[in-house]
Amino acid sequence: GAVVSQHPSWVICKSGTSVKIECRSLDFQATTMFWYRQFPKQSLMLMATSNEGSKATYEQGVEKDKFLINHASLTLSTLTVTSAHPEDSSFYICSARDEGESTDTQYFGPGTRLTVL
Amino acid sequence: KQEVTQIPAALSVPEGENLVLNCSFTDSAIYNLQWFRQDPGKGLTSLLLIQSSQREQTSGRLNASLDKSSGRSTLYIAASQPGDSATYLCAGTSYGKLTFGQGTILTVHP
Repeated sequence: GAVVSQHPSWVICKSGTSVKIECRSLDFQATTMFWYRQFPKQSLMLMATSNEGSKATYEQGVEKDKFLINHASLTLSTLTVTSAHPEDSSFYICSARDEGESTDTQYFGPGTRLTVL
Repeated sequence: KQEVTQIPAALSVPEGENLVLNCSFTDSAIYNLQWFRQDPGKGLTSLLLIQSSQREQTSGRLNASLDKSSGRSTLYIAASQPGDSATYLCAGTSYGKLTFGQGTILTVHP
């Protein structure tokens, strides 16, 4: 199956700093990538849809100025958590969409655990 | 808006038992449905994907079914093992977006 990587796998930062998370599709091109957030003992919640070459589409309640998304190429999307605070501590997971005539499947990265002190 | 519900929220069974996890969705305009496994602190492992035109998929001891008309999917695990202990998530793709259920926490004890 297709492979999606995330970097870093975990990060600890001080309150007020910014953190960038990378999501890469390694063996296919993805026009669309997705960013999810998962709090402890909860399911994945879609934060935003990242579109190559255009602005991201954010879900209701997600602050676009706080969670900056850049999808500059067909294999890379980045999520920057700006001015992070302890409540932003979470597990962030990306996925890359593989679209074709007979397929529409998302492949998931291994996740990034963010801890804000 | 698609909503996905999983029952039960948690399940504890003895080793060797066959079990069924349930998933229901509200919008029948579903392109496909996936079952994932998630171990504590880890990412998602895709188990089975059922296209809307299919009724079931099998992989080893796992069998997943899809009934669009009733808005239901089930994941059947045969001869459960302690290594099957994890959280199982179902998710449906509709209008290009994936909506996840809350998950079922499965514990298989020796």
